[in-house]
Amino acid sequence: NAGVTQTPKFRVLKTGQSMTLLCAQDMNHEYMYWYRQDPGMGLRLIHYSVGEGTTAKGEVPDGYNVSRLKKQNFLLGLESAAPSQTSVYFCASRFLAGGSGTQYFGPGTRLLVL
Amino acid sequence: DQQVKQNSPSLSVQEGRISILNCDYTNSMFDYFLWYKKYPAEGPTFLISISSIKDKNEDGRFTVFLNKSAKHLSLHIVPSQPGDSAVYFCAATSHGSSNTGKLIFGQGTTLQVKP
Repeated sequence: NAGVTQTPKFRVLKTGQSMTLLCAQDMNHEYMYWYRQDPGMGLRLIHYSVGEGTTAKGEVPDGYNVSRLKKQNFLLGLESAAPSQTSVYFCASRFLAGGSGTQYFGPGTRLLVL
Repeated sequence: DQQVKQNSPSLSVQEGRISILNCDYTNSMFDYFLWYKKYPAEGPTFLISISSIKDKNEDGRFTVFLNKSAKHLSLHIVPSQPGDSAVYFCAATSHGSSNTGKLIFGQGTTLQVKP
């Protein structure tokens, strides 16, 4: 049981390049989330999904797109990377929205945009 | 507008003493609060939580206190151990009509426990 995994662990992009970050979970969780963590800002929600085929915007969605074609995968895309998107990206998942509220996080992807 | 605030970026305590991490929130719709712990190069891991119907929740060395009137919660670690050195994030959510499970995080507090 791997939990939540993220690919890649680290990436360097040039301004204007595109890339996709992959999040996978093997816990059969319905809900999945993408966050970014910046110094002094905590974790901010980018996009989230409450089930296969659904996505919704979070606090800071601009410049990102997401897809949830399969229940276990949640993809985060950057169509045209900007230096402001330099950050650490975390994916999280949870089984149901009610109850304890616990989200399980992946190890993160460190992205540097030059 | 920061709905969840951790005003102390860092805290240093001696091993064996108490660590107290604080968190304030502004949204009165929040009804569930969580603390996450994060080591470098790892994702956050769930530590402890509290519902708004309680004012205290205890799990081993960790206790979370909630003061709804002050919109304030705190995490107490007693006794503190060097392995507790990490970044601690406070988070809040509302189990309202949206039912999305979204969490709002504070900025984090870096705890250093000195041997």
